[in-house]
Amino acid sequence: KQEVTQIPAALSVPEGENLVLNCSFTDSAIYNLQWFRQDPGKGLTSLLLIQSSQREQTSGRLNASLDKSSGRSTLYIAASQPGDSATYLCAVTSGSRLTFGEGTQLTVNP
Amino acid sequence: DAGVIQSPRHEVTEMGQEVTLRCKPISGHDYLFWYRQTMMRGLELLIYFNNNVPIDDSGMPEDRFSAKMPNASFSTLKIQPSEPRDSAVYFCASSSTLTETQYFGPGTRLLVL
Repeated sequence: KQEVTQIPAALSVPEGENLVLNCSFTDSAIYNLQWFRQDPGKGLTSLLLIQSSQREQTSGRLNASLDKSSGRSTLYIAASQPGDSATYLCAVTSGSRLTFGEGTQLTVNP
Repeated sequence: DAGVIQSPRHEVTEMGQEVTLRCKPISGHDYLFWYRQTMMRGLELLIYFNNNVPIDDSGMPEDRFSAKMPNASFSTLKIQPSEPRDSAVYFCASSSTLTETQYFGPGTRLLVL
C-alpha cells in the first residue's frame, strides 16, 4: 500500500525567504506526482504535476523535483510571499489511485 | 468552464438522516473522483468513475455510503443513515485521464449532529 509522508508538518518563514518542502513515498512504481495548494476552507489547486519519466517541473517561483528511485520529491518556493501561506499537499498516482500526504502548513510572515 | 461544481457547500443534519451530495464535473472529463478529508485521516479516495461507470469503490467506508453517476455531467454521493463520524469535508474532482491533473471542487462541509 502506498504511503506518502510530508516533512515538516508546519513551517513559518519571513517574507522573501526561499524554502523547501519535502515529500516521500514508499512505492516507487508511480505514474506521476503532484503538488497541490489548499487554502483554509477551500478546495485543492494543482500547482505542478511531474510525470514519472520527468525529473522536475517549474512554474513561476515554484520548482518541483522528483527522484523516483529514492521515493522523494521536493517543492522549492523562491522569494516567498505572504500570499503563499497555505497548506501544500503532495500526492502520487500509483495503480489507479491518488494517495495524498498529510500536508505542510506554510505561513509566510510579512 | 466554471470548474467542478459541488452542492451544497455546507450541510448540517441530524444523526440518522439521509444526506445527498452533488457534483458536476468539468465538461469533457472522463474521470470523476469522490474524496473525504478529515483531520484524523487526511484526504482519502472514496470512489472513482470512468465514463460514468464505478471503477474502484474500495475506499467507501461501509454500506451506508453509495455513489452514482447517471450521466457524464452529474454524480451523487449519498449517506444513509448518517452518523456523527461522517462529519468531514467531501470533495469531488475530475480529470481527462487517470494520470493527468485532477481538478477539485470547493467541497461540501458536512456536520452530522
